[in-house]
Amino acid sequence: DIQMTQSPSSVSASVGDRVTITCQASQGIITRLAWYQQKPGKAPKLLIYAASSLQNGVPSRFSGSGSGTHFTLTISSLQPEDFATYYCQQTNIFPLNFGQGTRLEIK
Amino acid sequence: EVQLVESGGGLENPGGSLRLSCAASGFTFNNAWMSWARQAPGKGLEWVGRIKTKTEGGTVEYAAPVKGRFSISRDDSKNMVYLQMNSLKTEDTAVYYCTTYRLSVTKHFDGLDTWGQGTMVTVSS
Repeated sequence: DIQMTQSPSSVSASVGDRVTITCQASQGIITRLAWYQQKPGKAPKLLIYAASSLQNGVPSRFSGSGSGTHFTLTISSLQPEDFATYYCQQTNIFPLNFGQGTRLEIK
Repeated sequence: EVQLVESGGGLENPGGSLRLSCAASGFTFNNAWMSWARQAPGKGLEWVGRIKTKTEGGTVEYAAPVKGRFSISRDDSKNMVYLQMNSLKTEDTAVYYCTTYRLSVTKHFDGLDTWGQGTMVTVSS
């Protein structure tokens, strides 16, 4: 199985800050990675697929990059609605494992 | 509007069975690959399994923790997908989400792009 490791586990930031979350795969997955946002009590929402493609309707302040084993999700200028938990998921082979999540909190 | 609505969750004893249902609307269901994911209380996300379209054989895949106990099926005449859960264990306690399966032009999995609101399953004596 491919293990996905996110860092940091939690981060505090302020509105307007630039934030980067990292996801590391235990083996190469080319660009087969998705990112999700989940707010408390809500279902996750797909933000990015294929490592860097923005899902329809997702603001352009979100961006993804990486290939192989190292990936990043960047939020260029944090907005109040961005405080949530973020998950990566490898979409390469079964089982389609998620990272453990990164909680983004208000400083 | 694409919508998924799960139902069927509840409290069940260890060793028991439950069947979750997911009603889909707003898209061409018979063309969609469907999936289930779950989230234990206070924990992260876990993929459970997926089912292809009937025309592509209706093939199913499962995560190891549920393989042999859970079964995914679909009824295209009703726009429904189901998760039959047998031999339930306490570690199956979670919110269960029904999702659509985003595919690339080459039919590769790209992500879980629409999620239902989830239904809570509690396995406890």
